[in-house]
Amino acid sequence: EPEVTQTPSHQVTQMGQEVILRCVPISNHLYFYWYRQILGQKVEFLVSFYNNEISEKSEIFDDQFSVERPDGSNFTLKIRSTKLEDSAMYFCASSQHTNTEAFFGQGTRLTVV
Amino acid sequence: AQSVTQLGSHVSVSEGALVLLRCNYSSSVPPYLFWYVQYPNQGLQLLLKYTTGATLVKGINGFEAEFKKSETSFHLTKPSAHMSDAAEYFCAVINSGGSNYKLTFGKGTLLTVNP
Repeated sequence: EPEVTQTPSHQVTQMGQEVILRCVPISNHLYFYWYRQILGQKVEFLVSFYNNEISEKSEIFDDQFSVERPDGSNFTLKIRSTKLEDSAMYFCASSQHTNTEAFFGQGTRLTVV
Repeated sequence: AQSVTQLGSHVSVSEGALVLLRCNYSSSVPPYLFWYVQYPNQGLQLLLKYTTGATLVKGINGFEAEFKKSETSFHLTKPSAHMSDAAEYFCAVINSGGSNYKLTFGKGTLLTVNP
């Protein structure tokens, strides 16, 4: 069964460092998403991406965040200068269309120290 | 704007008992509604969804949910809990008129099943 894969599963980084979280969406999907879940809180939408551009982003997704689909298979989330409050589980998701279900990866747990 | 409220952050049931996890939503347009499950150290897995048509939807692992527009609810039920059902459950909504699949999640309900 096709699945969304995310690497790494756990990333520890020092405050102020740049991190790149990687995702391989399901191959025939066209829409890609990043969500995050701070420990003990709800899953929050960060950004959606379609046709090589951001289609929607939340207020959380400020200038320190960026997304890219560098090679037609990977979908990355970059945080330029990490803060302690960026510590969270980051989920990538993909869907074939906007009205079909999104499939989620297993998440990357980011810990900023 | 849309929102989701899950009543009860933690629900505990005995094995074999009825599971009822509550979800209420608000949406300015007809919603698409979802329940996702998150097992420990795993990602989000879709249990079931309502888009249009029959308001009682059946999902995986014996779960079902009923969309009640008059009550703006989409409660999740399972007649008989199993130990393997212990997980966190998230209700989510999208705006069916939207151009993106932007899910708005509830805060989640942790289900524990006692032997």
